[in-house]
Amino acid sequence: QKEVEQDPGPLSVPEGAIVSLNCTYSNSAFQYFMWYRQYSRKGPELLMYTYSSGNKEDGRFTAQVDKSSKYISLFIRDSQPSDSATYLCAMRRTNAGKSTFGDGTTLTVKP
Amino acid sequence: GAGVSQTPSNKVTEKGKYVELRCDPISGHTALYWYRQSLGQGPEFLIYFQGTGAADDSGLPNDRFFAVRPEGSVSTLKIQRTERGDSAVYLCASSLIQGSLFFGQGTRLTVV
Repeated sequence: QKEVEQDPGPLSVPEGAIVSLNCTYSNSAFQYFMWYRQYSRKGPELLMYTYSSGNKEDGRFTAQVDKSSKYISLFIRDSQPSDSATYLCAMRRTNAGKSTFGDGTTLTVKP
Repeated sequence: GAGVSQTPSNKVTEKGKYVELRCDPISGHTALYWYRQSLGQGPEFLIYFQGTGAADDSGLPNDRFFAVRPEGSVSTLKIQRTERGDSAVYLCASSLIQGSLFFGQGTRLTVV
């Protein structure tokens, strides 16, 4: 079983919808949680970076971490066709360079 | 340059050959990372440099893989005796602080 599990989708929503993306993990030592967006044939791009439990908001994006449940979420409000991409969650331990990634969820936002 | 630069963008090689993949990180970033991404999967950690030294090489799959960063900036990932299973996109990232990775476009390696 992988340390980080992510539903691969694909997920298809109409423009303007609220999107919820999720990951679960098994390693309780993870303290830092990231969400990356990856367009086809491009490298991942960092969207959100949070430490420990709680919420963080940045524009249309909200990241939530629930360490007690080992569950993290990314919400996208007012989704746009330009949000169509693969979303990767990632996490790491304190003082560790290595990040462990999920396999990504592919999102399509239809106009 | 403004971002992480990887060369070549594509590399096709024959089974058994040696390849070198180059990464030029963002200027001033002390940390450099190599990941490998297969189709439909997330990036898989290979190695992490802090300055010139490999701080964590636990992800290198076997002794055919080696990476260097002699002057603390440019890094080269070297693969000996390539196998078809090595075919993947090799991603390089750099960061000023741990965790906030800035990725390059990747090198797509195909072993035929």
